[in-house]
Amino acid sequence: DTGVSQNPRHKITKRGQNVTFRCDPISEHNRLYWYRQTLGQGPEFLTYFQNEAQLEKSRLLSDRFSAERPKGSFSTLEIQRTEQGDSAMYLCASSLRGRLADTQYFGPGTRLTVL
Amino acid sequence: DAKTTQPPSMDCAEGRAANLPCNHSTISGNEYVYWYRQIHSQGPQYIIHGLKNNETNEMASLIITEDRKSSTLILPHATLRDTAVYYCIAPRNTNAGKSTFGDGTTLTVKP
Repeated sequence: DTGVSQNPRHKITKRGQNVTFRCDPISEHNRLYWYRQTLGQGPEFLTYFQNEAQLEKSRLLSDRFSAERPKGSFSTLEIQRTEQGDSAMYLCASSLRGRLADTQYFGPGTRLTVL
Repeated sequence: DAKTTQPPSMDCAEGRAANLPCNHSTISGNEYVYWYRQIHSQGPQYIIHGLKNNETNEMASLIITEDRKSSTLILPHATLRDTAVYYCIAPRNTNAGKSTFGDGTTLTVKP
């Protein structure tokens, strides 16, 4: 199966530590998205890339968050100085942007717990 | 994104059709309607999408009203494994590719 993969699947960290998550999209997909999801809520958009360019960032993405997609392939999401409020599932999705439709395919997510 | 409204929860008997409604009265002419579902602790799974015409694939059927203000996802023969949260979204069809997910409908299929 060559779907979207995310690593690690689970991360437990102490408040104040930095964490980095990785997303490998479906090959040849030019768009890559990051979402955050807390319990009982739908996914909330954080940011997205088209190839290596980061085209939009949500106001949810504070200056402690940074995302990169070097060479337009995999992406990393880093959270610096983690806070307990950062505990959530972090989802990555990729799509092949067409002229009209833009179907996103999601990975399994990385569950972050900040103690 | 067009705002979507879904009932918070629905029940369905196993083997019967599950009909999940979604209102998207502010949808623009070129915005697709997408349906995803999320089984507990997994990432959302794409189900189906449509623009104007009704659509069917191996997972479900999508019925879109003629005025495009609402749609219905139909699971023709629901199984216990279809128990999940179902999201209806209508993202903007522009270079801004974000999608706004609401809280979806929790479908519980009962034996």
